[in-house]
Amino acid sequence: AQTVTQSQPEMSVQEAETVTLSCTYDTSESNYYLFWYKQPPSRQMILVIRQEAYKQQNATENRFSVNFQKAAKSFSLKISDSQLGDTAMYFCAFMGSINNDMRFGAGTRLTVKP
Amino acid sequence: EPEVTQTPSHQVTQMGQEVILRCVPISNHLYFYWYRQILGQKVEFLVSFYNNEISEKSEIFDDQFSVERPDGSNFTLKIRSTKLEDSAMYFCASSASGGSGQPQHFGDGTRLSIL
Repeated sequence: AQTVTQSQPEMSVQEAETVTLSCTYDTSESNYYLFWYKQPPSRQMILVIRQEAYKQQNATENRFSVNFQKAAKSFSLKISDSQLGDTAMYFCAFMGSINNDMRFGAGTRLTVKP
Repeated sequence: EPEVTQTPSHQVTQMGQEVILRCVPISNHLYFYWYRQILGQKVEFLVSFYNNEISEKSEIFDDQFSVERPDGSNFTLKIRSTKLEDSAMYFCASSASGGSGQPQHFGDGTRLSIL
């Protein structure tokens, strides 16, 4: 069974600084997909970034980028130039190539301080 | 940008009662999902639905639960004979297709409180 682990329950960062959120996962599949979702206090789960396991190039979306290490089964999220609006819960999620269900980590609560 | 909408935002129900949570997925999406998040815990998959039938379900999704697409726009989760441990945030999601790592788009959730 796939498991997703986020070992940092809470993190904080100063506005304009860079922060990295960690995620590790366990799977026996060779092809799969990884996601980071953001859940601000408004509750909506918002897709931040997506990575396909068969692509070696790390995904980037504006200030958000990932460090995908397939051999280590690690998928960290880097947020550059942090903004107050980045304050939220961040969930790492795994999806296999066959099933549609997503497996989520426990989340990391990020606070961006002015 | 199209959104998944869920109603109500908060539902309070007496233990033992039935509750129906409603979702309107994004209009051209074909796959629909329900997840739940017990307070302080991780988001857990409940069920996926395609072509008017359940395509996958987790061990959480027992006979107490059912899903339905009663018309062309709504997707509902019914919980029969609710228990205290059903208290959680319930998220609906939809995706354009299944598999191939299609991102799932989530609604704001319904907070269900069982008294």
